[in-house]
Amino acid sequence: KQEVTQIPAALSVPEGENLVLNCSFTDSAIYNLQWFRQDPGKGLTSLLLIQSSQREQTSGRLNASLDKSSGRSTLYIAASQPGDSATYLCAVGNTGKLIFGQGTTLQVKP
Amino acid sequence: GAGVSQTPSNKVTEKGKYVELRCDPISGHTALYWYRQSLGQGPEFLIYFQGTGAADDSGLPNDRFFAVRPEGSVSTLKIQRTERGDSAVYLCASSDPRGAGNEQYFGPGTRLTVT
Repeated sequence: KQEVTQIPAALSVPEGENLVLNCSFTDSAIYNLQWFRQDPGKGLTSLLLIQSSQREQTSGRLNASLDKSSGRSTLYIAASQPGDSATYLCAVGNTGKLIFGQGTTLQVKP
Repeated sequence: GAGVSQTPSNKVTEKGKYVELRCDPISGHTALYWYRQSLGQGPEFLIYFQGTGAADDSGLPNDRFFAVRPEGSVSTLKIQRTERGDSAVYLCASSDPRGAGNEQYFGPGTRLTVT
C-alpha cells in the first residue's frame, strides 16, 4: 500500500529565504507526482506535475525534483515571500487516483 | 476556460439525513475524481470515473456512499444516513488522461457538517 510522508509538518522562515519541502513515498511504481498549494478554507491549486520519466520541473521560483528509486521528491522555493504562506501537499499518482501526504504548513514572515 | 465547480459550497445537515454533492468538471475532461479531506489531513481518495463508469471505487468507506456520473460530465456524490464522522470537505477533481501526465485540477470543495 502506497504511503506518502511529508516532512516537516510545519515550517516558519523569514522572508527572502530559500527553502526545501520534502516528500517521501513507499512504492516507486508511480505514474506521476504533483505538488499542490492549499490556502486556508480553499481548494487545491496545482503547482507542478512531474511525470515518472522526468527528474524535475520548474515554474518561476518553484522547482520540484523526483527520485523514484529512493522514493523522494523535493519542492524548492526560492526567495520566499509572505504570499507563499500556505499548506503544500505532495501527491503520488498511480492507476488514476492520487495518494496525498499530510502536507507542510509554511509561514513566511515579513 | 471555467475550472471545476462544486455545489453547494457549504452543507449543514442533521445526523441520519441524505445529502447530495455536485461536481461540474472542466469541459472535455473524461476523468473525474472525488476525495475527502478532514481537518489537518491530506485529501483521501474516494472514487474515480472514466467516462460514465466508476473505474475505481476502492476508497468509498461503506455502502452509505455512492456516486454517479450518468452522462460522463457532471457527477453527484450521494451520502445516505449521514453520521457526524462524515463531516469533512469533499473535493472533486477532473483530468484529461490523454494530456501529458494526467494532471488533476481541483474544485473549491463542499464543506459538509453533520450535526
